[in-house]
Amino acid sequence: AQSVAQPEDQVNVAEGNPLTVKCTYSVSGNPYLFWYVQYPNRGLQFLLKYITGDNLVKGSYGFEAEFNKSQTSFHLKKPSALVSDSALYFCAPFSGGYNKLIFGAGTRLAVHP
Amino acid sequence: NAGVTQTPKFQVLKTGQSMTLQCAQDMNHEYMSWYRQDPGMGLRLIHYSVGAGITDQGEVPNGYNVSRSTTEDFPLRLLSAAPSQTSVYFCASRPSDRASEAFFGQGTRLTVV
Repeated sequence: AQSVAQPEDQVNVAEGNPLTVKCTYSVSGNPYLFWYVQYPNRGLQFLLKYITGDNLVKGSYGFEAEFNKSQTSFHLKKPSALVSDSALYFCAPFSGGYNKLIFGAGTRLAVHP
Repeated sequence: NAGVTQTPKFQVLKTGQSMTLQCAQDMNHEYMSWYRQDPGMGLRLIHYSVGAGITDQGEVPNGYNVSRSTTEDFPLRLLSAAPSQTSVYFCASRPSDRASEAFFGQGTRLTVV
């Protein structure tokens, strides 16, 4: 079965501290992996993706993500959080067999001043 | 460049009424899809299309119809609205290349009373 798990409903972090939002997935074949962010009352925006190559990928707004094939994980990270990073984050592997993105339940990131 | 445009942004329906949510994209993307977003459930795929004249069901298609007569437009029809269809609806488009990111509309908040 194709699936994705974001084990934390919410992540709380102080401004200036590093943050990690976790994601594990189960898809057949070589995965294409995406992170999207949703600000309040807005649609989803693309953050970054892993297709192939270097396991550490960099994206928008200083975010990066680390692909780990053996652990089937694709955790989102940022070295220094900003209050403006507070939003809902979605991990979304692409299922080639079903030709669609699979979305997790999302993790709400709250960055406190 | 408008991207993905959804109308209306808000709608209140009475149980049993029908309506169409509009979605248009100006990026000449082959792939379009409709999702609904409910608290704690992430995004669930309703219907999708890989090109004009081709549509298929997603995870939660019951109660919804779609058609794709042009590359640009992908309307979602609610046949007989039910309170369980109260949700936020997002339309997305992307190129057929599975390595490409999806672009989302701003969403339609639908309430069925």
